[in-house]
Amino acid sequence: EAQVTQNPRYLITVTGKKLTVTCSQNMNHEYMSWYRQDPGLGLRQIYYSMNVEVTDKGDVPEGYKVSRKEKRNFPLILESPSPNQTSLYFCASSFSGSSYNSPLHFGNGTRLTVT
Amino acid sequence: GQQVMQIPQYQHVQEGEDFTTYCNSSTTLSNIQWYKQRPGGHPVFLIQLVKSGEVKKQKRLTFQFGEAKKNSSLHITATQTTDVGTYFCAGGDTSGTYKYIFGTGTRLKVLA
Repeated sequence: EAQVTQNPRYLITVTGKKLTVTCSQNMNHEYMSWYRQDPGLGLRQIYYSMNVEVTDKGDVPEGYKVSRKEKRNFPLILESPSPNQTSLYFCASSFSGSSYNSPLHFGNGTRLTVT
Repeated sequence: GQQVMQIPQYQHVQEGEDFTTYCNSSTTLSNIQWYKQRPGGHPVFLIQLVKSGEVKKQKRLTFQFGEAKKNSSLHITATQTTDVGTYFCAGGDTSGTYKYIFGTGTRLKVLA
């Protein structure tokens, strides 16, 4: 089954404790991206990757890191989480070979709470 | 930077009533996509519009892309309780960066 898998689904942590949220897709998609969703603000892009070893900042990259060493994986790293990073996070992927943006496939989300 | 505004933010309707959500961009978009997110779920792709003035239908849902490719609308006829959720538009950037610009979403509640 074609899917984007995120882990964990829920995470409660304390300020300053490094954490990684994993994302993996099995559709051989070139494009992958991370979003955070907050009430009233919609989906805001954190980082995206057009292909292996190519990453770029989105609209809200501060406090986050990503890597794209393999095509299928795109982990999101919070080196020193702070309470303002409490949010619902989504990983998404798409095929990027067409002229227009292809439909995004989203993971099930990770609800992160930083205390 | 490019922004996509979406209105209304919330809408409560009686089952059977119609519903419309609108997206407006400050700049021309290459295309527009619509997604639906059920409560507790993740966004799911509904449709993509590419051409100026394009109209597409999916059963009770009608999607339009404006002539200037700066605005779009989603209209649901005779809403059902299964239509509950948040509807997002996502515009394609024209600068070649392959960027998706999401609207803020419209949360629809359908009262039975």
